[in-house]
Amino acid sequence: GQQVMQIPQYQHVQEGEDFTTYCNSSTTLSNIQWYKQRPGGHPVFLIQLVKSGEVKKQKRLTFQFGEAKKNSSLHITATQTTDVGTYFCAGANNAGNMLTFGGGTRLMVKP
Amino acid sequence: EPEVTQTPSHQVTQMGQEVILRCVPISNHLYFYWYRQILGQKVEFLVSFYNNEISEKSEIFDDQFSVERPDGSNFTLKIRSTKLEDSAMYFCASRKLGPSMGYTFGSGTRLTVV
Repeated sequence: GQQVMQIPQYQHVQEGEDFTTYCNSSTTLSNIQWYKQRPGGHPVFLIQLVKSGEVKKQKRLTFQFGEAKKNSSLHITATQTTDVGTYFCAGANNAGNMLTFGGGTRLMVKP
Repeated sequence: EPEVTQTPSHQVTQMGQEVILRCVPISNHLYFYWYRQILGQKVEFLVSFYNNEISEKSEIFDDQFSVERPDGSNFTLKIRSTKLEDSAMYFCASRKLGPSMGYTFGSGTRLTVV
């Protein structure tokens, strides 16, 4: 079945440094979604990418979808302590009725 | 902002007992889901539900699991005979019609099987 891999598993950064997490799927995706989960919380939807090569920005966050629609990345510029949490990518099947989550990247930010 | 509501927040049950986890999806959403997350691990798909029937299910969702939408607002997950390995956080999620919409997750039910 479909597998979604995410690296790194953990990332410690100093506040103000940049952060990137990478996501790779074993199959071509209909779309990819990104979620943030704070410690003890639930996944919160950040964004969805649909088109090949798509790039979207949300303030300090930049999301990319690869040309082959099999990989994606999330880049945070100048991290803040409020960015702490686990960032998950999730690939959708063609019907959009099933998300396969990556293992997540846990971001820790030192003030 | 509309929320997906889950109850209870924590359920402790003995192995072999039946549990029912309850969810109230957002009212104008039409797709409903159950996912689970074993502590510290990835979020795993269990089942999707649309138009009063299961649209997809994973290998995890075996005969011990069932879902129901008993009325216009509730969406339940039943585990007939719980096992120790069913201990996890169970998240309900919903989304609007159309493939290009993100999911709204509830706060989850932590199920502990002893």
